[in-house]
Amino acid sequence: AQSVTQLDSQVPVFEEAPVELRCNYSSSVSVYLFWYVQYPNQGLQLLLKYLSGSTLVESINGFEAEFNKSQTSFHLRKPSVHISDTAEYFCAVRSSIIQGAQKLVFGQGTRLTINP
Amino acid sequence: ETGVTQSPTHLIKTRGQQVTLRCSSQSGHNTVSWYQQALGQGPQFIFQYYREEENGRGNFPPRFSGLQFPNYSSELNVNALELDDSALYLCASSLANRNTEAFFGQGTRLTVV
Repeated sequence: AQSVTQLDSQVPVFEEAPVELRCNYSSSVSVYLFWYVQYPNQGLQLLLKYLSGSTLVESINGFEAEFNKSQTSFHLRKPSVHISDTAEYFCAVRSSIIQGAQKLVFGQGTRLTINP
Repeated sequence: ETGVTQSPTHLIKTRGQQVTLRCSSQSGHNTVSWYQQALGQGPQFIFQYYREEENGRGNFPPRFSGLQFPNYSSELNVNALELDDSALYLCASSLANRNTEAFFGQGTRLTVV
């Protein structure tokens, strides 16, 4: 079984400031890791994913996350945020065993609010 | 390439009624999963369908049931609605037995009164 803990329920930052959204997970098997973003009244959009290879993964809009196996973490960072980044961010894990149900386990979410 | 579409977008039902939510998977995807997202919470896995059969289920009672059709679209049925069933219901499609991500629809907002 897997579980995900997002350490901050809300993160307010000023525009153009850096931000880090923290995510820790636990699992008895190896996992894939994901960050999804949810804008108000919308579904989930994939922001970035770690499946294998380089532990640092990047998105097209400037976010990055680093998989740290020893600390079982997958923190999300952005060096300079914009008003448009205001949203709810969800960290999720899935077993890397490809047979069987591909179930995503989500954290509780972090609400990122960007202030001008 | 069409994305995941869900219908309806919003729905209001009375306690005790039954509801059916629908999902069309992304083109080329053969697996559909359903999630419940209560207000202020992360999504919770309800179940997954592959080859028209349920192949995984979360901690939800039997009154939550589903179907998958030959074209890979899916339905979520909830019987005997309770107030706590009020939530955003998300459908996600993916490819079975591949290490790829799931793509989500916009969700159906169900309100039980």
